[in-house]
Amino acid sequence: GAGVSQTPSNKVTEKGKYVELRCDPISGHTALYWYRQSLGQGPEFLIYFQGTGAADDSGLPNDRFFAVRPEGSVSTLKIQRTERGDSAVYLCASSPSQNRVGTEAFFGQGTRLTVV
Amino acid sequence: DQQVKQNSPSLSVQEGRISILNCDYTNSMFDYFLWYKKYPAEGPTFLISISSIKDKNEDGRFTVFLNKSAKHLSLHIVPSQPGDSAVYFCASRELQGAQKLVFGQGTRLTINP
Repeated sequence: GAGVSQTPSNKVTEKGKYVELRCDPISGHTALYWYRQSLGQGPEFLIYFQGTGAADDSGLPNDRFFAVRPEGSVSTLKIQRTERGDSAVYLCASSPSQNRVGTEAFFGQGTRLTVV
Repeated sequence: DQQVKQNSPSLSVQEGRISILNCDYTNSMFDYFLWYKKYPAEGPTFLISISSIKDKNEDGRFTVFLNKSAKHLSLHIVPSQPGDSAVYFCASRELQGAQKLVFGQGTRLTINP
């Protein structure tokens, strides 16, 4: 597709369950980012991939959160033992390359995760 | 520790007038600044950016001003149109450092006919 695609668009899960959120970046984009947006807040950085490797995972809140990008394209954000505080919109973004002025990230529509 | 702050949660402007959205930052290492616009149920879309070597960047109806000494930037929209109604986020980045963006909390702009 032409833009960043995230699936599912909505996910409701029970506390303690495991969830996976998927991101299909724009074709050819080497950089991929995950952000989390809580109600009334701006997006908060979680993790950044350059190719297949996680170049910066400093935003992951704890070890229940993990993300992979095995082939340098699609990425999956995995959350174990979900808690109600994990409820948020999870945004994925991609950009053509790193360290280039004007390389703005293109965002997907997000996955709204609700933990009940 | 909110490094990027948008102190106005909402702003209402009459169609045709100027909209001014403000943003303050605390990290002197931030070297590149962006504004994103977000409609409900959509991801943020890039609007305009500015490097710290400039104090103004203009793109059509949108102009971003940067005051480095005050650590303040603003987005001007003129003339404002109903389609400009959205949530606006300012974001900052350390150009030579991490790739992550640090976002403000957002300002909801409503353009009244």
